[in-house]
Amino acid sequence: GENVEQHPSTLSVQEGDSAVIKCTYSDSASNYFPWYKQELGKGPQLIIDIRSNVGEKKDQRIAVTLNKTAKHFSLHITETQPEDSAVYFCAAFSGSARQLTFGSGTQLTVLP
Amino acid sequence: DAGVIQSPRHEVTEMGQEVTLRCKPISGHDYLFWYRQTMMRGLELLIYFNNNVPIDDSGMPEDRFSAKMPNASFSTLKIQPSEPRDSAVYFCASSLALGSQTQYFGPGTRLLVL
Repeated sequence: GENVEQHPSTLSVQEGDSAVIKCTYSDSASNYFPWYKQELGKGPQLIIDIRSNVGEKKDQRIAVTLNKTAKHFSLHITETQPEDSAVYFCAAFSGSARQLTFGSGTQLTVLP
Repeated sequence: DAGVIQSPRHEVTEMGQEVTLRCKPISGHDYLFWYRQTMMRGLELLIYFNNNVPIDDSGMPEDRFSAKMPNASFSTLKIQPSEPRDSAVYFCASSLALGSQTQYFGPGTRLLVL
């Protein structure tokens, strides 16, 4: 089945700096890669996603890049703000397994 | 839309008791998922339904766990008998389709089995 690895597990940045979270996946049949943000006591919420026919996608301060050859994708947050502090999960949807597999999560802390 | 609704939000029970978690998906969504989140294992898919029919229950840990979806607007996840290792946050999610469609998560049920 699909295996998704996510790094780092914790990340602290100063307000205004950029944050990058990286994920790798194992199943070459995976074709959809969402990123979720989970705040304390809440369920994960989708913040951005990318499909396998696209290399990069941007939405305001958030961007995601995908390298299908290397089987890795990354989340980039620019101009970080304290409200960006949360746990971020990457995920990959495998067409063969037909399910979403999540990474282990990154606890992002934005220091004021 | 109110989003995915789960109840109860918190549940504390004693080992051996039956626990029932409830979920109301977003109206019109054909897929419903049950996940379990723990520090050790992260987010794991337990089971998912399509049009009220269970499609893949390979993530259900053992026979003590069962899930039903009697209609398009309601699903339950039951644990009988419960054990301390079942303590976790259980999430329900729903989506319009499988694959490249957003899964919308509920707020979760935090279960503690003593």
